[in-house]
Amino acid sequence: GENVEQHPSTLSVQEGDSAVIKCTYSDSASNYFPWYKQELGKGPQLIIDIRSNVGEKKDQRIAVTLNKTAKHFSLHITETQPEDSAVYFCAASILPLDSNYQLIWGAGTKLIIKP
Amino acid sequence: ETGVTQTPRHLVMGMTNKKSLKCEQHLGHNAMYWYKQSAKKPLELMFVYSLEERVENNSVPSRFSPECPNSSHLFLHLHTLQPEDSALYLCASSQENDLSYEQYFGPGTRLTVT
Repeated sequence: GENVEQHPSTLSVQEGDSAVIKCTYSDSASNYFPWYKQELGKGPQLIIDIRSNVGEKKDQRIAVTLNKTAKHFSLHITETQPEDSAVYFCAASILPLDSNYQLIWGAGTKLIIKP
Repeated sequence: ETGVTQTPRHLVMGMTNKKSLKCEQHLGHNAMYWYKQSAKKPLELMFVYSLEERVENNSVPSRFSPECPNSSHLFLHLHTLQPEDSALYLCASSQENDLSYEQYFGPGTRLTVT
């Protein structure tokens, strides 16, 4: 079955610098890759997603890139701010979601923004 | 209330107790999920309900029993739990056939089994 590995488990960056979180997946049929952000005391929240028909997607300071050949995708956060401090999860799945409704999740990256 | 709410937020129970977790979604969605979140591990999907029918049960022990009385409410009944069941239990909802495939999560119930 699908397996998603996420690195690093913890990432500490200076405020204003960029942060990059990487995920690899095993099932070449996967075609949907969302990223969720979980702040302290809250549930995860979708921040951006990408489908396999595109290689990059941007939304203000956040971007996701996908390399289908290498089976990895990355989250890029530029000009980091204190409110970016959170745990970030990547996931992979195959669309359309069938009755399994399975998103295969990474283990998470704790991002710490140092002032 | 907006979004997905969960009660209680914190629960401490002994191994012989019976308790229930409650989830309510105010988004008009037709699919609801229970996840288990343990530290530094991927989210584990436990149960999925679509249109109030269970469609997924990922080999979850029978000491966890879900109930979905209507499309807005989801319960997780707990009995004779083990210490390793201590975790954050997250509820989520989504709109089936919604092209965005986004899942909306509640804040979770922090469960401690003593």
